[in-house]
Amino acid sequence: QVQLVESGGGMVQPGRSLRLSCAASGFTFSSYAMHWVRQAPGKGLEWVAVISYHGNNQYYADSAKGRFTISRDNSKNTLYLQMNSLRAEDTAVYYCARDFGTSVPEIDYWGQGTLVTVSS
Amino acid sequence: DIQMTQSPSSLSASVGDRVTISCRASQDISNYLAWFQQKPGKAPKSLIYGASSLQSGVPSKFSGSGSGTDFTLTISSLQPEDFATYYCQQYNSYPLTFGGGTKVEI
Repeated sequence: QVQLVESGGGMVQPGRSLRLSCAASGFTFSSYAMHWVRQAPGKGLEWVAVISYHGNNQYYADSAKGRFTISRDNSKNTLYLQMNSLRAEDTAVYYCARDFGTSVPEIDYWGQGTLVTVSS
Repeated sequence: DIQMTQSPSSLSASVGDRVTISCRASQDISNYLAWFQQKPGKAPKSLIYGASSLQSGVPSKFSGSGSGTDFTLTISSLQPEDFATYYCQQYNSYPLTFGGGTKVEI
């Protein structure tokens, strides 16, 4: 069965960096685009970034552009989100999600999430 | 960016009720709309894609309709496990955007 397991969250000071990982299993990881979606405490869902199945194409939310980098290692079945210059407003649960779409980005499976807290 | 507006933001219902949630896009998104269910402390779960297609394993009491700018999620007979927050999401263009959510309470 499809499994997505995020890790790497924690508490970090403003301005510092953090790298999240998402370990995928139960499907051919290298055949699917992947997303990061976040949710601030008590708030709604916010899309962060997407990477194509081969890793050559990425798109970002404006809030992530220039600070976050999405990447993947298909040999390790792992998705990453490198987050730099973190701000208090980046505090959220970060979910990775699989994209099953062939021509448009359609999300089906989600991980359980990892909490990132940015605070001094 | 395409804005997604859900209504109502919350509703109270009883077991067995038929519930309808609305979602409006700020511009035409064809049928590129998905619905997700989220229970407290849990990850979202995909319910519907393409405005009306059920994800595998999702019970048929859930249905979606609409195209263009106006969409609806209907739960035909509310059960205790359906009390949750529901989000619509457009994928017509980047950035992907979600509605603010509709909390379905007892």
